[in-house]
Amino acid sequence: ETGVTQTPRHLVMGMTNKKSLKCEQHLGHNAMYWYKQSAKKPLELMFVYNFKEQTENNSVPSRFSPECPNSSHLFLHLHTLQPEDSALYLCASSHTGGGDEQYFGPGTRLTVT
Amino acid sequence: RKEVEQDPGPFNVPEGATVAFNCTYSNSASQSFFWYRQDCRKEPKLLMSVYSSGNEDGRFTAQLNRASQYISLLIRDSKLSDSATYLCVVSKDQTGANNLFFGTGTRLTVIP
Repeated sequence: ETGVTQTPRHLVMGMTNKKSLKCEQHLGHNAMYWYKQSAKKPLELMFVYNFKEQTENNSVPSRFSPECPNSSHLFLHLHTLQPEDSALYLCASSHTGGGDEQYFGPGTRLTVT
Repeated sequence: RKEVEQDPGPFNVPEGATVAFNCTYSNSASQSFFWYRQDCRKEPKLLMSVYSSGNEDGRFTAQLNRASQYISLLIRDSKLSDSATYLCVVSKDQTGANNLFFGTGTRLTVIP
């Protein structure tokens, strides 16, 4: 399935590095999301974009910086991360932001060393 | 209180068995309900939406009890391929806000 794609699939970075995660959706949706999934925890919503506008920032540290240039693309810029930021980062999209079902990309497994 | 609560399991059942999962949610204003399936080290995938009248998709039946604020998923004639973690998902509220709340999931293993 290629509805929502994410790159890279795996990333190892040091605490002083800067990297970016990319997400692209081919479903014609208008809302896009970033989630963090850590072991033994539920998915944590990080950011929501609806029609390219950020509508939710769920108290995410500023070392995570999202960017949504259009309704099909979403980025997550990373800098000076901590080891506890190691997790699976999932992008999702939905038709609108109104509680519709969301479709997920395969995720980026991030390890911060 | 958590937005969505599920029994983490694991549930270990033989092939062909029937298994049921329940999930409770805290916000009575929630309007949308879903079950997602997540395989090990993969992304969550939508299994089915849950409607007020209950709905069925093949071997899977989902039910919603608004009065008691719980959702259930019944799997009949379990297959090995049903082994996964099942996530209960509830929308934030009736205003159409973006958020979906995900439970921690119930782990199912179907044994040959």
